[in-house]
Amino acid sequence: DIVMTQSPVSLPVNPGEPASISCRSSQSLLHTTGFNYLDWYLQKPGQSPQLLIYVGSYRASGVPDRFSGSGSGTDFTLKISRVEAEDVGVYYCMQALQTPFTFGPGTKVDIK
Amino acid sequence: EVQLLESGGGLVQPGGSLRLSCAASGFTFDTYAMAWVRQAPGEGLEWVAFISKHGSDRYYADSVKGRVAISRDSSKSTLYLQMNSLRAEDTALYYCAKSSSGNLPPRFVSWGPGTLVIVSS
Repeated sequence: DIVMTQSPVSLPVNPGEPASISCRSSQSLLHTTGFNYLDWYLQKPGQSPQLLIYVGSYRASGVPDRFSGSGSGTDFTLKISRVEAEDVGVYYCMQALQTPFTFGPGTKVDIK
Repeated sequence: EVQLLESGGGLVQPGGSLRLSCAASGFTFDTYAMAWVRQAPGEGLEWVAFISKHGSDRYYADSVKGRVAISRDSSKSTLYLQMNSLRAEDTALYYCAKSSSGNLPPRFVSWGPGTLVIVSS
């Protein structure tokens, strides 16, 4: 199974400041299509998860452009250029390359 | 608007069974793959099962393999998860999720609010 790790576990951020979350996989997520099968989800407090980023760097429909994803192979990063109050919640990366599909343990982002 | 509404959760004794349902609307159900993802209380997300648009391909997490079965009924636009031999560690909020295409890779673009399963004596 592909093991996903994330850092940090918790990330307090001032509004308007940038934030960065790291995700690493135990195996390369690069598919033969040339895409990295790594997605990012955000679960806001009391809500169901929502897709933010897919195949490493493509924003899902309706996701603000302050969110960006990068990385390849085993190392990935989610960046928020300027954190807003509505961005609080737990961020999960998930590998979609092979079953069993596995999520990272999550990074909790909150406002200082 | 895509809507997913899970039902069928509840309190069940260890070793018991439950069938979860997910009523889908707002999209052409048999065009998209679907999945179940669960979240134990205070824990992270765990993928449980995935089914392709016509049901020909089904995949399961090792933790539930042999005990659960995912299925779908296009005539009712409903996704199911039959859960047998339930264990305490199956206690979780179970989410139904719609994928962005008819088969792999999974990309969960829509989620329901979840249905809570509690396994306890």
